[in-house]
Amino acid sequence: GDSVTQMEGPVTLSEEAFLTINCTYTATGYPSLFWYVQYPGEGLQLLLKATKADDKGSNKGFEATYRKETTSFHLEKGSVQVSDSAVYFCALSGTNNNAGNMLTFGGGTRLMVKP
Amino acid sequence: DAGITQSPRYKITETGRQVTLMCHQTWSHSYMFWYRQDLGHGLRLIYYSAAADITDKGEVPDGYVVSRSKTENFPLTLESATRSQTSVYFCASSEASTGGKAFFGQGTRLTVV
Repeated sequence: GDSVTQMEGPVTLSEEAFLTINCTYTATGYPSLFWYVQYPGEGLQLLLKATKADDKGSNKGFEATYRKETTSFHLEKGSVQVSDSAVYFCALSGTNNNAGNMLTFGGGTRLMVKP
Repeated sequence: DAGITQSPRYKITETGRQVTLMCHQTWSHSYMFWYRQDLGHGLRLIYYSAAADITDKGEVPDGYVVSRSKTENFPLTLESATRSQTSVYFCASSEASTGGKAFFGQGTRLTVV
């Protein structure tokens, strides 16, 4: 079945540092790929998405490129802020037409940014 | 208020008791989902529903029951709670056309003692 693997955390960075959180996936067909973010005490919210190979999703300074050849969707940000401290989840949507909206999540990566 | 709301936010129950977690969305989204979040496992799908009166199992359905008599509500029932069901539960909804863009509730933290 489909699966998502992302780097374990926590990731601790200083403010303005460069961020990379690795994500790789296994899926049949052509899934859409997502990054969700969870701030403390809240539910998940969509950060960015990409629906086909070589698409780049971007939002709030975060970027991720859908790399079909390496089955990866790594999250990057050039300069993190304290307010970016959260848990980040990589996910893919179901490739089964009967559950095309079903998301499979990675284990999550906690990011802590220090001033 | 528009959105997706879960209740209660926190619940402590005893082993063997039945407990129901509520989820309500105001967008009339077709799809609704229940996930549980545990350390080391990320989010795992318990059940989902593609429309009213249509439900299907996810990855970890054992010990749970769902129903969807109305589009906007998707309650999750633990028939006989066990300590292994201590977790944070998230409800989510999405529209069929968005292919995975889901909106999440704030979660219910359930402790089974």
